[in-house]
Amino acid sequence: SYDLTQPLSVSVALGQTARITCGGNNIGNKNVHWYQQKAGLAPVLVIYMDKGRPSGIPDRISGSNSGNTATLTISRAQAGDEADYYCQVWDSSTVVFGGGTKLTVL
Amino acid sequence: QVQLVESGGDSVKTGGSLRLSCAASGFTFTDYNICWIRQAPGRGLEWVSYISPYGSIIYYADSVKGRFTISRDNAKNSLSLQMNSLRVEDTAVYYCAIEKTSGSSFDYWGQGTLVTVTS
Repeated sequence: SYDLTQPLSVSVALGQTARITCGGNNIGNKNVHWYQQKAGLAPVLVIYMDKGRPSGIPDRISGSNSGNTATLTISRAQAGDEADYYCQVWDSSTVVFGGGTKLTVL
Repeated sequence: QVQLVESGGDSVKTGGSLRLSCAASGFTFTDYNICWIRQAPGRGLEWVSYISPYGSIIYYADSVKGRFTISRDNAKNSLSLQMNSLRVEDTAVYYCAIEKTSGSSFDYWGQGTLVTVTS
């Protein structure tokens, strides 16, 4: 089975840049999607197909994917960015999620 | 606007059964694949099952294969998940989520319905 590895937690100072990684074998060959989940709410898509941004998602949030690592970057971090973030890919006929990263804005 | 509303969550004993539903509106139902995705308390997201627009392609996670059955009623814009032989580890919030094309992202999610399985 295909595994996606995310750090359990990332901290960022208010206004600085946070980077959340998602590791997987040759993940650069897959389409990676990212979801934000705030406490008690359903996940929300923030990045699709490695770097696409759904309408309503600010351009402070961006994605990249190469080699064995996909990265979600949140620039000018705000208190409202505090959430859990999950990466996701399809592998054959299976949907795979990373374990999730808790982003704390200090 | 797109709406997905799950229902049917409840508390059941191990070995019991439950049927979840997801009512969809605000989009062309047959344009989308749909998945069930669950989240155990305090844990991450776990994909459960997938169904294509007309039900011709169905996938299950190994953890539920043989116990859960996904189906959809396109005339009623609804999705179902029949869960049998429930286990404590099936305890989770269950979300339905839609995907425009295979391999793409889950563009919209419902608010979830809680299933609690006790021994």
